[in-house]
Amino acid sequence: GENVEQHPSTLSVQEGDSAVIKCTYSDSASNYFPWYKQELGKRPQLIIDIRSNVGEKKDQRIAVTLNKTAKHFSLHITETQPEDSAVYFCAARWVGFSGGGADGLTFGKGTHLIIQP
Amino acid sequence: DSGVTQTPKHLITATGQRVTLRCSPRSGDLSVYWYQQSLDQGLQFLIQYYNGEERAKGNILERFSAQQFPDLHSELNLSSLELGDSALYFCASSQRAGAVTGELFFGEGSRLTVL
Repeated sequence: GENVEQHPSTLSVQEGDSAVIKCTYSDSASNYFPWYKQELGKRPQLIIDIRSNVGEKKDQRIAVTLNKTAKHFSLHITETQPEDSAVYFCAARWVGFSGGGADGLTFGKGTHLIIQP
Repeated sequence: DSGVTQTPKHLITATGQRVTLRCSPRSGDLSVYWYQQSLDQGLQFLIQYYNGEERAKGNILERFSAQQFPDLHSELNLSSLELGDSALYFCASSQRAGAVTGELFFGEGSRLTVL
């Protein structure tokens, strides 16, 4: 099955600086790579995603890059703000062989992003 | 609001007991997923149902079981509870018919505490 590795586990940056979180995946058939943000005690929420036919996608201060050859993708947050402090999860889509509808996401272990004032 | 509803939000019980967690997916979504998140841990995939049938299994213990009903809501049953089962259990839904995007929509979670 799909395996997703995420680094670093904790990242502390000064407010205003940039943060980069990196993930690798194992299944070359994966075609969808979302990033979720989870605040303490809350549900994970999608912040940005990228599909395998695209190399980069940007949404204001957030960008994601994908290198399919190397099977890795990264989240970039620029001009970090206190409200960016949270746990970020990368994920890769898997599609099963058990029949119609077997489809889901494998998540990395998460990165705790700390924005220092 | 993701449109996914989970009950109960909090549950405290004792070791050896059995509990049932309930999830209503977004309107039109056919798939329901259950994930377990222990303290400072990631999202561990437990099981997926699609249109009433089990489609994929992850690291789900034999003491745990789930089902999806004809109205597409799902229940996760946890039995012979142990202290280590204390966690936040998330339900997520996806796959509206004809619009398979891959995105999962999470509920607010059910926090289970086993004493």
